Amino acid sequence: NAGVTQTPKFRILKIGQSMTLQCTQDMNHNYMYWYRQDPGMGLKLIYYSVGAGITDKGEVPNGYNVSRSTTEDFPLRLELAAPSQTSVYFCASNGYLAGGNEQYFGPGTRLTVT
Amino acid sequence: DQQVKQNSPSLSVQEGRISILNCDYTNSMFDYFLWYKKYPAEGPTFLISISSIKDKNEDGRFTVFLNKSAKHLSLHIVPSQPGDSAVYFCAASAKTSYDKVIFGPGTSLSVIP
Repeated sequence: NAGVTQTPKFRILKIGQSMTLQCTQDMNHNYMYWYRQDPGMGLKLIYYSVGAGITDKGEVPNGYNVSRSTTEDFPLRLELAAPSQTSVYFCASNGYLAGGNEQYFGPGTRLTVT
Repeated sequence: DQQVKQNSPSLSVQEGRISILNCDYTNSMFDYFLWYKKYPAEGPTFLISISSIKDKNEDGRFTVFLNKSAKHLSLHIVPSQPGDSAVYFCAASAKTSYDKVIFGPGTSLSVIP
């Protein structure tokens, strides 16, 4: 079991470029999430998905898009990158047991936009 | 408005002593609370959780206490070990939206040998 994997680990983008952050989980979890963590801040929810074909906005969705065509994959798309999107991005999943919602996180992608 | 607060950005403790990390929340709908631990360059990992029907949950050296009336929880680590040095995030969710978890800003714990 690899758990939650993310690629790439690091990336430097120029302002206005686009990229896709990949996230895959092999635990057959229905719920998947994208967070960003800025220095000194907690994790902010960008988008989440409760199953294939279903996505919803979190707290900070502007400038991002997601899709969920399979249970395993939940890519995050950045269009027209801006310096404000410099952050560490974490993907997570959980299997959602009622009353028990422990999330499993990937190792993160460190993105710098210059 | 921060719904989950961790007012101490950092904490230093001697090895073998007790570490107490605090967390306050404002949303009275929260009924499930979790603590995550994060090492540098890694994703957070789940540590311990507590439901609002309990006031204490223990797992080895880690105990979480919940005071619902004060909207306060704390994580106790006894005894503290150098390997416990990490950032600890408090998180909360509500029965009406278990699919969303709100994280606090984290407390960086340093355990000094």
